[in-house]
Amino acid sequence: QSVLTQPPSLSGAPGQRVTISCTGSSSNIGGGYDVHWYHQIAETTPQLLIYGNSHRPSEVPDRISASKSGTSASLVITGLQSDDEGIYYCQSFDDSLRGVVFGGGTKLTVL
Amino acid sequence: EVQVVASGGDLVRPGGSLRLSCAASAFDDIYWVRQAAGKGLEWVSLIEAPGDTYYAQSVKGRFTISRDSSRPYFYLQMNSLRPDDTAVYFCGKGVSGHWAIETWGQGTPVTVSS
Repeated sequence: QSVLTQPPSLSGAPGQRVTISCTGSSSNIGGGYDVHWYHQIAETTPQLLIYGNSHRPSEVPDRISASKSGTSASLVITGLQSDDEGIYYCQSFDDSLRGVVFGGGTKLTVL
Repeated sequence: EVQVVASGGDLVRPGGSLRLSCAASAFDDIYWVRQAAGKGLEWVSLIEAPGDTYYAQSVKGRFTISRDSSRPYFYLQMNSLRPDDTAVYFCGKGVSGHWAIETWGQGTPVTVSS
């Protein structure tokens, strides 16, 4: 059981918008720790999509965005494309565990 | 181009030891994250640039993260290995000022089996 909770799977048609949620607690997201998001395709090297709740590395397109509120965070992908398929992970820091925590991952399928 | 390269994965018997290496470009925050086959990402350990270290509960007391003082090489010493330590181990460079992983190296596989 992951400390951060994500829906196991989501799907959307090309061009649509999808939102992936990440729910934590007062010892991580709600405690003021930043949320970061990664994309992984078929257990290859993950790619950082978002850091510091909403900051995009330069190579990540602006149709990908994220936000944080309270004990939760969300990743939004608009204009869905086939290469958006894969697994998305949220990540934060947990003060009780004194360590980094990941969500269980959300498998995104583009229909 | 910033790179991190992990190496040292191998087949080892339960109870055995193994040391993984991560060659980086600078003395940045370095993370170890593992992924068992068909499973999600699991953080293992972190060494921050100033030298502070952190461990997942599942490896605390068995794994030790360290770095070379003269070059940006980082190590994960893994002792008392168990079958559930079997995974691909990734090392990664942190984003300055954030507990996030900016650059991931290719993984190195560790198999713990008799």
